[in-house]
Amino acid sequence: KAGVTQTPRYLIKTRGQQVTLSCSPISGHRSVSWYQQTPGQGLQFLFEYFSETQRNKGNFPGRFSGRQFSNSRSEMNVSTLELGDSALYLCASSFKNRNTEAFFGQGTRLTVV
Amino acid sequence: TQLLEQSPQFLSIQEGENLTVYCNSSSVFSSLQWYRQEPGEGPVLLVTVVTGGEVKKLKRLTFQFGDARKDSSLHITAAQPGDTGLYLCAGATSGGSNYKLTFGKGTLLTVNP
Repeated sequence: KAGVTQTPRYLIKTRGQQVTLSCSPISGHRSVSWYQQTPGQGLQFLFEYFSETQRNKGNFPGRFSGRQFSNSRSEMNVSTLELGDSALYLCASSFKNRNTEAFFGQGTRLTVV
Repeated sequence: TQLLEQSPQFLSIQEGENLTVYCNSSSVFSSLQWYRQEPGEGPVLLVTVVTGGEVKKLKRLTFQFGDARKDSSLHITAAQPGDTGLYLCAGATSGGSNYKLTFGKGTLLTVNP
């Protein structure tokens, strides 16, 4: 059974640009969550999608957005990139509606220069 | 805001030593999970504890959930270099569809041969 797949693995962008990251969850998983990980702040919750609906959102500015497609694949977008957005972005998928066990992808390392 | 405090933040020990890392909060969680993350990879789930006072063992790793479901500990016996990594605890809250995992900042463990 394939795991959670995130693309791309590495990305370098310039300040002011926008970026889209992709996540394919484990087959059959309908919940997808996104996290930002930095050395100073650790893992911080961005948002969670279930059946194409955003169920929960963390404390991030509106520049961070996401969506989920009917096949449960998810994308997150960051517009007007800032240097502080440099981080490892992790996607996690879960099977059940209220199952809290998350299976993570390898992440996308975003560097903003 | 629910916070999870992990201690110590860094730990460097010799192969064969025992160690305990702690995860504390003032909030009650419906369950608590421990993950291990290696450089360049996403976190991998080690265990989920649900019941207050619960103890789970995974080979040389022993996990305990506090009686009040606010804290947890991870004890490693006879640590090996392969145990090196970032250990993260995550508390889950339930409440209909509005749930999320709150992560601690982690304990970075280095086991020297």
